[in-house]
Amino acid sequence: DGGITQSPKYLFRKEGQNVTLSCEQNLNHDAMYWYRQDPGQGLRLIYYSQIVNDFQKGDIAEGYSVSREKKESFPLTVTSAQKNPTAFYLCASRRTGRDNSPLHFGNGTRLTVT
Amino acid sequence: GESVGLHLPTLSVQEGDNSIINCAYSNSASDYFIWYKQESGKGPQFIIDIRSNMDKRQGQRVTVLLNKTVKHLSLQIAATQPGDSAVYFCAEASFNKFYFGSGTKLNVKP
Repeated sequence: DGGITQSPKYLFRKEGQNVTLSCEQNLNHDAMYWYRQDPGQGLRLIYYSQIVNDFQKGDIAEGYSVSREKKESFPLTVTSAQKNPTAFYLCASRRTGRDNSPLHFGNGTRLTVT
Repeated sequence: GESVGLHLPTLSVQEGDNSIINCAYSNSASDYFIWYKQESGKGPQFIIDIRSNMDKRQGQRVTVLLNKTVKHLSLQIAATQPGDSAVYFCAEASFNKFYFGSGTKLNVKP
């Protein structure tokens, strides 16, 4: 089945450590996105990538970094500079082209930093 | 968008009734709108979308209405079922960026 895989589902880290969240898709989508979701709130855009080897900052990019070396993969690193890293992180992808197309989401990684 | 905060607006409906979930979007330049359903601990799931050149679109048991004059989007669910209980988000898209409202919790009473 085609889809988006985020791993691990739960992640625990100590404050001051960097941590990398994995996102892989086999939908052959060009564009990939990272969102952050806090309790009772909507999704906020961290980074997005329209094509391999290119990515843009979203609205809350500070303290995060990404890479897009392969079409299928868009890992997100939460650095120690991120002041409030505990959150639910969602990766999404979509096909690009002339027509609009929706985001397809993975099932998220819940990161807890203590 | 919808009000932001820790307490989601909640809509409680009786099983079998119709549900209407509303959303106010903010960007007049948005040209594409989507409704998502999110169950606890999972990622959002696509329900239905609509382009800005349309004002209504129907799917299976769901209808989306778009009023660009007042920047309002609604999702109608017919014959609501217990499995419809979830948080529903609207999203607006412009230039490949998607922005989400804070969500409405739908509680279906058996």
